[in-house]
Amino acid sequence: AQSVTQLDSHVSVSEGTPVLLRCNYSSSYSPSLFWYVQHPNKGLQLLLKYTSAATLVKGINGFEAEFKKSETSFHLTKPSAHMSDAAEYFCVVRATQMDSSYKLIFGSGTRLLVRP
Amino acid sequence: NAGVTQTPKFQVLKTGQSMTLQCAQDMNHEYMSWYRQDPGMGLRLIHYSVGAGITDQGEVPNGYNVSRSTTEDFPLRLLSAAPSQTSVYFCASSYSNSFTETQYFGPGTRLLVL
Repeated sequence: AQSVTQLDSHVSVSEGTPVLLRCNYSSSYSPSLFWYVQHPNKGLQLLLKYTSAATLVKGINGFEAEFKKSETSFHLTKPSAHMSDAAEYFCVVRATQMDSSYKLIFGSGTRLLVRP
Repeated sequence: NAGVTQTPKFQVLKTGQSMTLQCAQDMNHEYMSWYRQDPGMGLRLIHYSVGAGITDQGEVPNGYNVSRSTTEDFPLRLLSAAPSQTSVYFCASSYSNSFTETQYFGPGTRLLVL
């Protein structure tokens, strides 16, 4: 069965310090992996995605994530947090089903707080 | 190009009332879907459509109906609202349901059922 676990419901960092949002997945098949960001009262915006090409994926706004198959992880990082990064972040797995259809599985979200 | 649009932005219903949440996209996407977002649970798929005239159930379809008469529109109907349907609803679309396809999300509709 496929699943995705975001290890922290809340992460708090100071402006200018690194950001690490952790995501682990479980999948019987090679997955596609996505990170989405949701600012307050807004829809979800794609940050980046992994689709079995390079394991280090660069996204928008300075974010990047590394796919580590041995650790079944896809952690999101940014070298220096900005106040505008405060939002909720979702790790999403797109996994193949037994009937060859695809299903998106969302993590429960990590709320990033950025302190001045 | 407006992307994915949803109306209304916010709605209050009484138990037993019906309503339709509207979703439209202008990107000529074949695949459209509806999700609900509840605290601490991420997004869960309600219904989806792989093209005009074709719909199917997702993870939590009970209490919701959909239809897809055009490529652009994918309305979600609540026939008899219940407090358990209080949630934020997101519509999404993508060119296809292929493995690597990115889904684009609308801004959401906040629904409160009293």
